[in-house]
Amino acid sequence: QQQVKQSPQSLIVQKGGISIINCAYENTAFDYFPWYQQFPGKGPALLIAIRPDVSEKKEGRFTISFNKSAKQFSLHIMDSQPGDSATYFCAASYSGAGSYQLTFGKGTKLSVIP
Amino acid sequence: DAGITQSPRHKVTETGTPVTLRCHQTENHRYMYWYRQDPGHGLRLIHYSYGVKDTDKGEVSDGYSVSRSKTEDFLLTLESATSSQTSVYFCAISRLAGDNEQFFGPGTRLTVL
Repeated sequence: QQQVKQSPQSLIVQKGGISIINCAYENTAFDYFPWYQQFPGKGPALLIAIRPDVSEKKEGRFTISFNKSAKQFSLHIMDSQPGDSATYFCAASYSGAGSYQLTFGKGTKLSVIP
Repeated sequence: DAGITQSPRHKVTETGTPVTLRCHQTENHRYMYWYRQDPGHGLRLIHYSYGVKDTDKGEVSDGYSVSRSKTEDFLLTLESATSSQTSVYFCAISRLAGDNEQFFGPGTRLTVL
């Protein structure tokens, strides 16, 4: 079964600190790795995504680091703010024929305290 | 929520009753998905559609059926609701398959008593 394992389940970070969430995958055919952010009562929204041809992608305070050999990728939130408090999901898919499905991790609830 | 509406937004029903959830999009995207979200399980795909009248099963399809008669509407039906189907249901759409961004609707909270 295709799986994406996400850790930690919950994370508490001080304002201004770095939040780090990790994911590991099994299927080497995966070639698209997005992160979604979800606020309470809302649907998930794409935050940032990476493909395995690069090892890092940065958008503002959010960075994805990708390690193809270890089959791991992580989300780093620099200068974490209380407004970043949300649940974060990593996901993976492959772009081959018939690829319709994103496989999601189980989520990380981030709390950024002042 | 990217031109996606879900109805109803909240529903309480009793075990054994049929329930239909509706997803409506104004983006004319080809692909539509139904997920359920449960604590400790993340988002799990129930069914998806890759075009009008073209649907297929996802990871947790047992007890659910879907229909798509128009590009803009994707219906999820619980033929005989069970308490294990109490969940938050999200519809999503994407322009391309697999590696394209999926846009999620606001969700429907369903409680089966």
